[in-house]
Amino acid sequence: DIQMTQSPSSLSASVGDRVTITCRASQSISSYLNWYQQKPGKAPKLLIYAASSLQSGVPSRFSGSGSGTDFTLTISSLQPEDFATYYCQQSYSTPSITFGQGTRLEIK
Amino acid sequence: QVTLRESGPALVKPTQTLTLTCTFSGFSLSTSGMCVSWVRQPPGKALEWLALIDWDDDKYYSTSLKTRLTISKDTSKNQVVLTMTNMDPVDTATYYCARHCRYDAFDIWGQGTMVTVSS
Repeated sequence: DIQMTQSPSSLSASVGDRVTITCRASQSISSYLNWYQQKPGKAPKLLIYAASSLQSGVPSRFSGSGSGTDFTLTISSLQPEDFATYYCQQSYSTPSITFGQGTRLEIK
Repeated sequence: QVTLRESGPALVKPTQTLTLTCTFSGFSLSTSGMCVSWVRQPPGKALEWLALIDWDDDKYYSTSLKTRLTISKDTSKNQVVLTMTNMDPVDTATYYCARHCRYDAFDIWGQGTMVTVSS
């Protein structure tokens, strides 16, 4: 199975900060990389698909980049509602789909 | 509007078989390319993909759990069913179903159902 490694595992930031989360795949996955946001007690919500495409309804402060093995999720200016856990997911090796271990974004 | 909703027991005993149902609306699992997957999340831990069924009734399972899982669909009822045998306390988790197309992101998720395995 393709392993997905996110860094950092947790992050403290302030409202208005620019934040970047990294996801690395154990082998090339082209652009088959998706990002989800999950708040406590809620289902994950799709933010970015195919590495850099913004899901409909998601604020433009979220952006994604990368291809091959290295990917990033950037939040340009943190808002209070962005404090959550973020997961990357590879769909390149569907049906063997794998998620990263998550990055918890906390308020500083 | 696309929705999915998971249902099943909140508590199962060790060694029992868990049966979960995902009831969906707003799309058809007969549409070419359409898939439904099951994903679980133990308390405080990461997401884990479990199983997938596609429009053509092809079925796929997590390598680590494939001997314990069975996924099926009832297109007429708009339901996908997951069974997991020989439940153990480590299987305690919230179980989600989600819609996606092959190789695509999971765009719509159910709200999840929490399953506790305890005697």
